[in-house]
Amino acid sequence: AQKITQTQPGMFVQEKEAVTLDCTYDTSDPSYGLFWYKQPSSGEMIFLIYQGSYDQQNATEGRYSLNFQKARKSANLVISASQLGDSAMYFCAMRGINFGNEKLTFGTGTRLTIIP
Amino acid sequence: DAGVIQSPRHEVTEMGQEVTLRCKPISGHDYLFWYRQTMMRGLELLIYFNNNVPIDDSGMPEDRFSAKMPNASFSTLKIQPSEPRDSAVYFCASSLAGLGDLHGYTFGSGTRLTVV
Repeated sequence: AQKITQTQPGMFVQEKEAVTLDCTYDTSDPSYGLFWYKQPSSGEMIFLIYQGSYDQQNATEGRYSLNFQKARKSANLVISASQLGDSAMYFCAMRGINFGNEKLTFGTGTRLTIIP
Repeated sequence: DAGVIQSPRHEVTEMGQEVTLRCKPISGHDYLFWYRQTMMRGLELLIYFNNNVPIDDSGMPEDRFSAKMPNASFSTLKIQPSEPRDSAVYFCASSLAGLGDLHGYTFGSGTRLTVV
C-alpha cells in the first residue's frame, strides 16, 4: 500500500519569501514516482513537478524544486520567491510501478496563503 | 491537444435520480482514473482503467456507483440512485504508462455534483 503524509494543513508566507511544503511517503514498490499538484480556488488540478525514485538529482521546474531525500522518504516542495498567485492548495502524490499501484495516491494537502 | 474533457461541469440533481458523468481522456493515454474530492475525505480514487479494462475498483463506494470505458476515448461514471452524500467534485484523469511520464497525470476540470 502507498501512503502520503502532509502534516501542514495551512501556511502563511510573506510575498517574495521562499516556502517549503512538507511531504513524506511510504511504499513497498522498488520504483515509484512523486508528484506535486497545485489546486487554486478555481478547482483545477495543475501538475507542478515530478521526481523519479531513481533520479540522482532533485527535480526543478522554474521556481519549483523538489527536495528529495530517499532514505528519509521525504519529497518536500520548495517554492522560491513566492508570489500572490501561489496561494492555493498543494497536494503531494505518488504512484508505484507494481501492478495495482499505478494510481496516484494523494496526501491531504497544504493550503498556502501568500501575504502581500 | 484539448486535454482531458469532462462533462457536465456542474450537475444539480434530486435525491434518487440517476447521474452520469462523462470523460474523454487524452488521445494515446493508456490509463484513465476517476477521483472524488470532498472536504471530509480529500482526493480519493474511485476506479481506474488500463487499456479500457478496469484494474482497481476498490474505491467505488457501493453498488450505486458504476463506471465503464467502452473504448479508448470515452468513459462514464454513473450513480444510481444518487444521494446527498454523493455531493462532491468528480475528477477524471489520464496518463501514459510507465514511471517515466514526466508530465504526470492530466486532470479534467472536474464535475461539481450537488444532490439535493
